[in-house]
Amino acid sequence: DIQMTQSPSSVSASVGDRVTITCRASQGISSWLAWYQQKPGKAPKLLIYAASSLQSGVPSRFSGSGSGTDFTLTISSLQPEDFATYYCQQANSFPTFGGGTKVEIK
Amino acid sequence: QVQLQESGPGLVKPSQTLSLTCTVSGGSISSGGYYWSWIRQHPGKGLEWIGYIYYSGSTYYNPSLKSRVTISVDTSKNQFSLKLSSVTAADTAVYYCARDYLDSRRGPVAFDIWGQGTMVTVSS
Repeated sequence: DIQMTQSPSSVSASVGDRVTITCRASQGISSWLAWYQQKPGKAPKLLIYAASSLQSGVPSRFSGSGSGTDFTLTISSLQPEDFATYYCQQANSFPTFGGGTKVEIK
Repeated sequence: QVQLQESGPGLVKPSQTLSLTCTVSGGSISSGGYYWSWIRQHPGKGLEWIGYIYYSGSTYYNPSLKSRVTISVDTSKNQFSLKLSSVTAADTAVYYCARDYLDSRRGPVAFDIWGQGTMVTVSS
């Protein structure tokens, strides 16, 4: 299995803040990484695929970068609707997910 | 707009088989270009991929669950299904069906459409 490690596990931030979440793969996965947002009681929503491609309809304040083993998700200016849990997922072999990062209100 | 909807019992007894169905609307499973997936989330925990199926019937399973999982497809009903045998309390989770977009050059890319999820509790 390819293990995905996210950090931090939680972050407290204010509206307007820049937030960065990192995801590390236990082995190289090229650019085959996706990011999801999940709100309580809801299914995950795809934000970013192939490390840096923005899914249709997702606000441009979300961006992704990285390749190989190290990846980041950045929210450039946090909005009230962005408080949620974020997961990374590798698609290089059978899918595995990171443990999640909860973005909380400061 | 493609939508997915899970259905099935919310309570399963230990040692029995969990059975869920995902109904796809707004698009055809047979159109190709996607894997049709099952993913679960234990209460308060992260996400675990269970497996997926192509419309042709080709399947891929998580090695940790492979001995207990069967995923099948019924293209005439535009549905795919999950069976998980010999369940225990550890299989209590929210079960999601999802669509995995396929890149023509290299395979699955990301889960772009999800069902709302269904909670399944394993208890006597």
